[in-house]
Amino acid sequence: EAGVTQFPSHSVIEKGQTVTLRCDPISGHDNLYWYRRVMGKEIKFLLHFVKESKQDESGMPNNRFLAERTGGTYSTLKVQPAELEDSGVYFCASSHGDIATYEQYFGPGTRLTVT
Amino acid sequence: QKEVEQDPGPLSVPEGAIVSLNCTYSNSAFQYFMWYRQYSRKGPELLMYTYSSGNKEDGRFTAQVDKSSKYISLFIRDSQPSDSATYLCAMERSGYSTLTFGKGTMLLVSP
Repeated sequence: EAGVTQFPSHSVIEKGQTVTLRCDPISGHDNLYWYRRVMGKEIKFLLHFVKESKQDESGMPNNRFLAERTGGTYSTLKVQPAELEDSGVYFCASSHGDIATYEQYFGPGTRLTVT
Repeated sequence: QKEVEQDPGPLSVPEGAIVSLNCTYSNSAFQYFMWYRQYSRKGPELLMYTYSSGNKEDGRFTAQVDKSSKYISLFIRDSQPSDSATYLCAMERSGYSTLTFGKGTMLLVSP
């Protein structure tokens, strides 16, 4: 069974540009999460989808971040316009809807560098 | 005060040693406690989870939770060089599905 996949693995963009990150969860997992780790800090929650609905987006830093999960399958996270402080590693995780959601499976992350 | 405190290390031990990794937390609402292992340039991998207080053992790994002290531990017996990684504690409140992480402790096991 394939794990959580993320694309791209690394992105370098200039301040003011737009970047879109993609996450493909484990097949059949209704729950999809986005997390971010800024250098020197802990991994922090951004938002949680249940199928295509946003269950909790309390961790989204501001309105420059837009997450979508059309059709309840893969998800995208768009940053527009990117700022220097957006640099970090963005992780996606998924969990099965019928199993306690603390069993989250993480992807390898997308390393975003804003210059 | 951060919700979860974890010493970043690095913690260096010889092969075969018993390793003790710890986290403290401040939010008494946390009910689920997880340990993740993360190798360089990889995503966190769930090692163990425990509900409320108590111990849980899985092979060479033992997780302990002491809710009265707000303190959790992960013990690794007979540590191996392949155990060298960053170990992250994470916690979740009952009824919520978001994880709150510690910063992670880097463990180095030398042959």
